[in-house]
Formats: sequence, structure tokens, C-alpha cells
Amino acid sequence: KNQVEQSPQSLIILEGKNCTLQCNYTVSPFSNLRWYKQDTGRGPVSLTIMTFSENTKSNGRYTATLDADTKQSSLHITASQLSDSASYICVVTKNTGTASKLTFGTGTRLQVTL
Amino acid sequence: NAGVMQNPRHLVRRRGQEARLRCSPMKGHSHVYWYRQLPEEGLKFMVYLQKENIIDESGMPKERFSAEFPKEGPSILRIQQVVRGDSAAYFCASSPYPGQPKNSPLHFGNGTRLTVT
Repeated sequence: KNQVEQSPQSLIILEGKNCTLQCNYTVSPFSNLRWYKQDTGRGPVSLTIMTFSENTKSNGRYTATLDADTKQSSLHITASQLSDSASYICVVTKNTGTASKLTFGTGTRLQVTL
Repeated sequence: NAGVMQNPRHLVRRRGQEARLRCSPMKGHSHVYWYRQLPEEGLKFMVYLQKENIIDESGMPKERFSAEFPKEGPSILRIQQVVRGDSAAYFCASSPYPGQPKNSPLHFGNGTRLTVT
């Protein structure tokens, strides 16, 4: 079982609508959580990074939230655009002491249509 | 300032051949990570290298796979005697910081898509 679970697996929305993507994790001890956007055929690009003490962080129309107690995060996209069509990947960093390791979720595939 | 450059973008090999994947990190980045992505799966860590040193290769298969990051030139991920199961997208990421940084994103290349026929 993956230590980072994302839902939904895929999502189709109309341009201009809002949507929320979910990420649940069991990785411990937790260091930070990142959301990446991966366009088809491209590498992931970081959207937000949140540490244990941060509850919310915004990057333009993207707003990420983190509840470290329930080990849940969400990514909210406001006023979606066609260019938002991509996979959104939740990545949790485990603090191993001397180093840290990233665990990637399998992503949510978002398609924004006219 | 160019991003992480990977080449080739697409690579086709027959079973039993060798595949060499190259990664040039961002300028000023001396830490390189390789990840593999299978269809419908998340990225899986393979190896972490600094210049001339392998720091963590816990995610890399012990046979047929090797990686290097020489003092001069790009990092190379080498897969010998490829099999169909090696078909995947291989991503390289770089960072100016040691370890997998706590408060800084990795910068990814656009990957090499390896197809084994």
C-alpha cells in the first residue's frame, strides 16, 4: 500500500470552475509536503511546499492546505484554465535523521474542458 | 539559466542492448537524483549522487543498473542488457543542497522515455 494516496484518480471539469484534490499520507516522521504539477511529457514542477507548522500556502490560483494531525492535504484550484490540465502529484518527505526521502503519490489527472 | 537537461528524450532499445541516459543538472547544482516512472504509477527513487560519489542507491536494482556523476560532464544512468520491464520514463532532478532538501523543491528534467522492444 502506497504511503501517499491521492484522490480522485482523475477529474474532468469545465473551464472557470474550481476543484479540490486530496492527498492522504502515512509517511512518518513527517518533514514536509509538496504539490507538483506534471504536464504530459514533461517533468514535475513544484507548486507549493509546506512544513509541519504551515496550514495553508497559496501560489496564484493554487492553494494548498495541510492538516498534520489527520495527515491530509488538499490542493484547491480556483477559476480553472485549460492550461491547468495536467497530473498533480503529492510528495511527502520523510525525515530520516541524517537525510530525508521523498514518497510520491500516483497523482490526480485533471482535465479542464471548454 | 537552463533547467535540468536530459537526453535523449526518447530511446528505443532491443532486449539485451545497453541504454545510456544523460542528465545535465542546473548550473550550480551538484546533487543529482534519478527517478523511474511507470505508467499509472508514481515516481520511484532510484539513486542520489553528488559529484564523483554515489550517496544513496537504495532504489536502484543491484543488477544491470549503474549510475555515475563524474567531475566533468553529465550524470549517466546506464542499463545493461535491457528487458521489456525496463520500459519507463526516467527522470533526473537536481538541487544545490545536500540530501533531499527539506524546504526546497527539486528541479526536474523532462525525462527520457525508454522503450524496450
